Amino acid sequence: DSGVTQTPKHLITATGQRVTLRCSPRSGDLSVYWYQQSLDQGLQFLIQYYNGEERAKGNILERFSAQQFPDLHSELNLSSLELGDSALYFCASSAQVTSGNTIYFGEGSWLTVV
Amino acid sequence: EDKVVQSPLSLVVHEGDTVTLNCSYEVTNFRSLLWYKQEKKAPTFLFMLTSSGIEKKSGRLSSILDKKELFSILNITATQTGDSAIYLCAVGVNSGNTPLVFGKGTRLSVIA
Repeated sequence: DSGVTQTPKHLITATGQRVTLRCSPRSGDLSVYWYQQSLDQGLQFLIQYYNGEERAKGNILERFSAQQFPDLHSELNLSSLELGDSALYFCASSAQVTSGNTIYFGEGSWLTVV
Repeated sequence: EDKVVQSPLSLVVHEGDTVTLNCSYEVTNFRSLLWYKQEKKAPTFLFMLTSSGIEKKSGRLSSILDKKELFSILNITATQTGDSAIYLCAVGVNSGNTPLVFGKGTRLSVIA
């Protein structure tokens, strides 16, 4: 158990809908990262927050947004869902903001769009 | 663009075999290389290699980093069925806002 908690574990929703994925980082970690994993693309970085502020942005679609709250938990909002958004979404956390350090992953949220 | 390439993409071996997984990278301002093991869901951390630690070992797993040739290998000796997983390589750079860049992974299947 990495100490990173994600909910929900599984989610099935229809195209056009909106969902929110939630992440609680390890105790004491200030950085939260969101990754998308699909079979053909591997782990793709979406966005990083550090202590409530956005620090880095990857290949995140405009239909997706995220935030980190004062209690350090984070939410990833996915809207106008398409079939291609079906994937495993991981949250990870680390103590530092600087890159190149170990990050710890949650169990992931498996999203299926039908 | 930073790039991490793993090979082979998949591998099937018998219990007791020794395997070598490869990871090559092209990044600007290298800082670290990390190996993760992903069994069912969450990738779990195995090793981090940096300029000050180019060789790591834990039980049957070991890894080395060649900063000159820009690659790393992960060795697993006396493989067991429990070693079956996707092994991910990731590279970090010395830039405050650059996240880890992951390779696509090597899927290892160990059969009895």
